[in-house]
Amino acid sequence: DIQMTQSPSSLSASVGDRVTITCQASQDISNYLNWYQQKPGKAPKLLIYDASNLETGVPSRFSGSGSGTDFTFTISSLQPEDIATYYCQQYDNLPRTFGPGTKVDIK
Amino acid sequence: EVQLVESGGGLVQPGGSLRLSCAASGFTFSTYWMHWVRQAPGKGLVWVSHINSDGSSTSYADSVKGRFTISRDNAKNTLYLHMNSLRADDTAVYYCARDRQLSFDYWGQGTLVTVSP
Repeated sequence: DIQMTQSPSSLSASVGDRVTITCQASQDISNYLNWYQQKPGKAPKLLIYDASNLETGVPSRFSGSGSGTDFTFTISSLQPEDIATYYCQQYDNLPRTFGPGTKVDIK
Repeated sequence: EVQLVESGGGLVQPGGSLRLSCAASGFTFSTYWMHWVRQAPGKGLVWVSHINSDGSSTSYADSVKGRFTISRDNAKNTLYLHMNSLRADDTAVYYCARDRQLSFDYWGQGTLVTVSP
């Protein structure tokens, strides 16, 4: 199975800050990576697919990049409504493994 | 509007069984792969199982293989997860999710399964 790691596991930032989360796969997954946002008590929401494509309706302050084994997720200007846990997920192979998540809150 | 609505969760004793359902609407259910994903309290997301569009192909996480069975009824626009030999570590919120070209683009609200004496 492909293992996914994320860092940091949590972070605190101020409104307007640039926030960056990294995700690493245990083997080459090309660009077969999604990013999801999960707010407390809610279902996950797809934000980014194919490592860098923004899902329809998702604000442009969210972005993704990377390929192979190393990926980055960025919020260009953190907003109060972005408080959530963010997960990467690979879809190169079954099982479709998720990273452990990065919890983002406001400083 | 795409909707996925899970049901069937609840409290069950260790060793017991439960069947979860996911009612789909707002899209052509029979043309999409579907998945189950679970989340233990306070923990991360874990993929559980998938089924292809016509139900001819399935796969499972090692932790549930041989105990859980995914199925679908395309005439009823419903996805199922049959869970047997339940253990305490199966306690989680179970989500169904639609697979759009390998991304999970729609999720249900989740149904809580609690395995406890």
